[in-house]
Amino acid sequence: EDQVTQSPEALRLQEGESSSLNCSYTVSGLRGLFWYRQDPGKGPEFLFTLYSAGEEKEKERLKATLTKKESFLHITAPKPEDSATYLCAVQADNNNDMRFGAGTRLTVKP
Amino acid sequence: SAVISQKPSRDICQRGTSLTIQCQVDSQVTMMFWYRQQPGQSLTLIATANQGSEATYESGFVIDKFPISRPNLTFSTLTVSNMSPEDSSIYLCSVEWGQGVLGISDTQYFGPGTRLTVL
Repeated sequence: EDQVTQSPEALRLQEGESSSLNCSYTVSGLRGLFWYRQDPGKGPEFLFTLYSAGEEKEKERLKATLTKKESFLHITAPKPEDSATYLCAVQADNNNDMRFGAGTRLTVKP
Repeated sequence: SAVISQKPSRDICQRGTSLTIQCQVDSQVTMMFWYRQQPGQSLTLIATANQGSEATYESGFVIDKFPISRPNLTFSTLTVSNMSPEDSSIYLCSVEWGQGVLGISDTQYFGPGTRLTVL
């Protein structure tokens, strides 16, 4: 069965303190791995799609990387507005379902 | 990206009643999805809704409890029937979008969610 595990569950950073969030996955044939940001009371906001090991994507202070077993979301010099829950999801190549991890709740203090 | 709206944004309902949630997309899409997000938890897929066919439900979700309609390519409804406090959740619709690598959709975009509280 496809599984997605995110760590840590919660992360508190000082403004400017870079760090990484982890998403470990097992899936029978990866179609895509997705990163979302979710603010309280809102729907998930799409950040990145990664398709194959070695792929990297960047957006402002965020960079996502992918290996055959895990993905990292690197946050460089975070700001308080980066505070949110970051969700990772995988899609197998034999269906359209997305399986989500439990998320990492990031707090960036000024 | 697709723009998705949901109605209502929130509701408080009595036990035993039903609520229908609407999802409207600004473009025609083939696949729409309904998710549930219970308090403090991640998203769980309820069902996949394709226009012109019956919805496909995930394990643990049944049509009698969560009937879905998909009358056209821009609209879907999810009904939460005979509600109990355990149904208190955020309900989200999403659509598959984009033409990424190998013709595979890039991702799913989500609506803002409907926050349901059952008393």
